[in-house]
Amino acid sequence: QVQLQESGPGLVKPSQTLSLTCTVSGASILSGDYYWIWIRQHPGQGLEWVGYVYNSGSAYYNPSLRSRLTLSVDTSKNQFSLRVTSVTAADTAMYYCARVPIGSGSGRYFDLWGRGTLVTVSS
Amino acid sequence: QSALAQPASVSGSPGQSITISCTGTNSDIGGYNYVSWYQQHPGKAPKLVIYEVSNRPSGVSNRFSGSKSGNAASLTISGLQAEDEADYYCTSYTTSSTYLFGTGTKVTVL
Repeated sequence: QVQLQESGPGLVKPSQTLSLTCTVSGASILSGDYYWIWIRQHPGQGLEWVGYVYNSGSAYYNPSLRSRLTLSVDTSKNQFSLRVTSVTAADTAMYYCARVPIGSGSGRYFDLWGRGTLVTVSS
Repeated sequence: QSALAQPASVSGSPGQSITISCTGTNSDIGGYNYVSWYQQHPGKAPKLVIYEVSNRPSGVSNRFSGSKSGNAASLTISGLQAEDEADYYCTSYTTSSTYLFGTGTKVTVL
């Protein structure tokens, strides 16, 4: 079955860049009508959408993160990635990747999630 | 953007029904039938339980149901079971092509 798996460093120093990758297994990232989303959850807090990216590379970002955020897709590796620059302690969170069906009439929900990866920003 | 409003906690005894509300605006919940609900157990990733307001994914118990009226949506869990104890989040796609999550509701089975 299709699975998503986040990967990346668990510890990032303040002011540095956080880079995470989500690997899609069990199907081509190009199969079906989907886009790919990042969602984060600060410790003990609720969920926050970070941004989403189409297979074409077009991306939409949470306005609160837009100036520091870049999302991309690598179809040759069946992966999509997140990059956040100038991180602070406020970026410490569990980061989840997820899949969003976008077929005709599809309701923009997150039908498949990765297990998440915890990123801590600390010196 | 403000988060969708949910009650912080809801509780019920086994077998009872509970309802979680989710209130937004006409730019999100009221704008589309794109409301979904997620269940999150401690230390686990969220799991989709309702999509497009009232649809259940394959494998989700029919004890979960959703509805919407105007700018508010709700999730009802009937025949409450111990395994339903978790955090629940609503989310809505918005007219700005963004997403809003709810503040989250902790469901306790007494």
